[in-house]
Amino acid sequence: DIQMTQSPSTLSASVGDRVTITCRASQSVSSLLAWYQQKPGKAPKLLIYKASSLESGVPSRFSGSGSGTEFTLTISSLQPDDFATYYCQQYNSYSTFGQGTRLEIK
Amino acid sequence: EVQLVQSGAEVKKPGESLKISCKGSGYSFTSYWIGWVRQMPGKGLEWMGIIYPGESDTRYSPSFQGQVTISADKSISTAYLQWNSLKASDTAMYYCARGSYYMDVWGKGTTVTVSS
Repeated sequence: DIQMTQSPSTLSASVGDRVTITCRASQSVSSLLAWYQQKPGKAPKLLIYKASSLESGVPSRFSGSGSGTEFTLTISSLQPDDFATYYCQQYNSYSTFGQGTRLEIK
Repeated sequence: EVQLVQSGAEVKKPGESLKISCKGSGYSFTSYWIGWVRQMPGKGLEWMGIIYPGESDTRYSPSFQGQVTISADKSISTAYLQWNSLKASDTAMYYCARGSYYMDVWGKGTTVTVSS
């Protein structure tokens, strides 16, 4: 199995901050990586696919980059609605999710 | 509107069987893979497997192979996740979602509680 490791596990930030979440794969997944946002009691929401492609309807303050084994999700200017848990997911070999990064208000 | 509507919450005893459902609408159900994702209480997301309803082609995560069965009935645009003998450790929220690997449309989830 390909293991996905996110860092940090928890991130405290303020509205307007620029934040970056990192996701590392135990072996190369090429660009076959997605990012999701999940709020408490809700289903996950797709933000980014193929490492850097923005899903339709997702605000442009979200961006993704990387390939191979290291990826990042960046939120350029945090909005109140962005405080949530974020997951990366590789889909190069079957599929596995990272353990999640909880983004909380500082 | 594209949506996936999942069946309601279930409370079962260990050893019982269960089949939960996910009905697609607003798109060609037979043209997209449907996947299942587990989320245990307070934990992260786990990819369980996928099915292509048009051909019933099914792929399982090695972690879930043999533990569950994924199926679909294309005549009613519905996918299923099934257990033959539930365990307490199957207690979780189960989501269905559209997509072969990354998933763009999600159901609201079905809570499964297994307790004696």
